[in-house]
Amino acid sequence: AQSVSQHNHHVILSEAASLELGCNYSYGGTVNLFWYVQYPGQHLQLLLKYFSGDPLVKGIKGFEAEFIKSKFSFNLRKPSVQWSDTAEYFCAVNALSARQLTFGSGTQLTVLP
Amino acid sequence: DVKVTQSSRYLVKRTGEKVFLECVQDMDHENMFWYRQDPGLGLRLIYFSYDVKMKEKGDIPEGYSVSREKKERFSLILESASTNQTSMYLCASSKQGENTQYFGPGTRLTVL
Repeated sequence: AQSVSQHNHHVILSEAASLELGCNYSYGGTVNLFWYVQYPGQHLQLLLKYFSGDPLVKGIKGFEAEFIKSKFSFNLRKPSVQWSDTAEYFCAVNALSARQLTFGSGTQLTVLP
Repeated sequence: DVKVTQSSRYLVKRTGEKVFLECVQDMDHENMFWYRQDPGLGLRLIYFSYDVKMKEKGDIPEGYSVSREKKERFSLILESASTNQTSMYLCASSKQGENTQYFGPGTRLTVL
C-alpha cells in the first residue's frame, strides 16, 4: 500500500522568505504526484502535478516541486512567499495501477505580513 | 471549468440519525470519491466509485455506505450517525485515465 509523509505540520514564515515543504512517499512502482492547496474557507485545488518527464514541475502562483525518485520525495518550493500563500498544503500520490489518491496529513503554512 | 457541488456546506444532526450527503459533478467524470478531512490526519478516503452502481471501499468505510445511481451523482450515507463522524466531508471527481481529482467545497457535519 502507498503512504505519504509530510514532516512539517505547521510552518510559519515572514513575507519574502523562501519556502520548502517536504513530502515523501512509499511505493516502489511508478507514481503520479500532486500538491493541492486549501486556502482559508475555500475548497481544495490543484497546485501542480507530476506525471512523467522533467522532474522539476512548475505550478500556479510561482510554486514548483522537484521529483527525486531515488529519495521518494516530491518537495514543494517557492522562492519568496506572500501573505496570500497562507493555506494548508497537501501532498498526494497515486500509483498508476490505482484510481485513488493517498494524501499526506497536510502542512499549515502561515505567512506573517 | 469542472464543477463539483455538495448539497450542504454545514449540517447538524443528532446521534442515531440517518444522514445523506450529496455530491454532483458536471464534467461527465467516471470516477467519484468521498473523503473525510480531520485536523492532523489529512484526507482519508471513505469510498469511491468508478462507474454507475459500482463502488469500492477506501481506507475508512466503516459506518458509511454510498450510492451511485447516476453518473453525475454520488451520495454518502451515514446509516446511524455517531459523534465520531463529526468531520469535514469532501467529494471529488476525476476522469477515467486521468488521476487529477477536482474537489467540491465540502460539508462540515456536526453530530450531537
